[in-house]
Amino acid sequence: EVQLVESGGGLVQSGGSLRLSCAASGFIFSSYLMHWVRQVPGKGLVWVSRINTDGSGTTYADSVKGRFTISRDNAKNTLYLQMNSLRADDTAVYYCARAPNDYFGMDVWGQGTTVTVSS
Amino acid sequence: QTVVTQEPSFSVSPGGTVTLTCGLSSGSVSTSYYPSWYQQIPGQAPRTLIYRTNSRSSGVPDRFSGSILGNKAALTITGAQADDESDYYCVLYMGSGVYVFGDGTKVTVL
Repeated sequence: EVQLVESGGGLVQSGGSLRLSCAASGFIFSSYLMHWVRQVPGKGLVWVSRINTDGSGTTYADSVKGRFTISRDNAKNTLYLQMNSLRADDTAVYYCARAPNDYFGMDVWGQGTTVTVSS
Repeated sequence: QTVVTQEPSFSVSPGGTVTLTCGLSSGSVSTSYYPSWYQQIPGQAPRTLIYRTNSRSSGVPDRFSGSILGNKAALTITGAQADDESDYYCVLYMGSGVYVFGDGTKVTVL
C-alpha cells in the first residue's frame, strides 16, 4: 500500500526551529518528486516547497524562502522540511505529497502533521 | 503576485451538474499551466481528482472531468452525489518549479 506518514509537528516559540519528516512506503521513493503543502485550520491549501527526485533541485513559495529547507534521503525513503525562524503565520497542518514526473501536481497525500508557533 | 481565482461556493442538486473554474488574476489559464484539482473533506487530507488539465487520477469516478473553458481551467461534476459535498482546490504550475493553489470552492449538494 502506498503510504506517506508525516511526523515532527508540535508547539514551538516564535523564532524557533522544527524539522518535519515524511516517511514513504509502498513505492519507489527515489522515482518521485515530493512536495510540502500547508493549511491553516479553516483556510485553503498553500503550496510550500518541491524537491526533485535526487534532491538536487528545490523550489519554495516566497513566504518561506530563506527560512525553510526541503531535503530528502532516498536511502531512508524520507522527505524532510527544516523550518527556521518560525512565525505565528507558519501555524498550520503540513502535508507531504507525492508527485509523478509527468503530473505537474500531486497524486498521493499524507495525513498531515500540525505545527503551532506561539508568539 | 499571481492570484489563482476560484468561486467561493457553489450549490448543486443531487443528480445535477456543476462546473467549477480556476482562473488567473491576470491572464488566461491554458494547458501550459497543467491545472490539477483536489477534493478535501474538512478534517481530512486532500484527494487528487484531476491532473494535467483532464487526466483522471486512479480510482476517480468518471463523473469528474477537467477541461479548459475559455480562459480558465474547469472541473465538472456530472450527476452530483451527496458525498461530493466538499471543498475543491485547483493548483496551477507557474513554471520554474513553482505552484500556486486557488482559495478553494465549497460545494454543497442539496
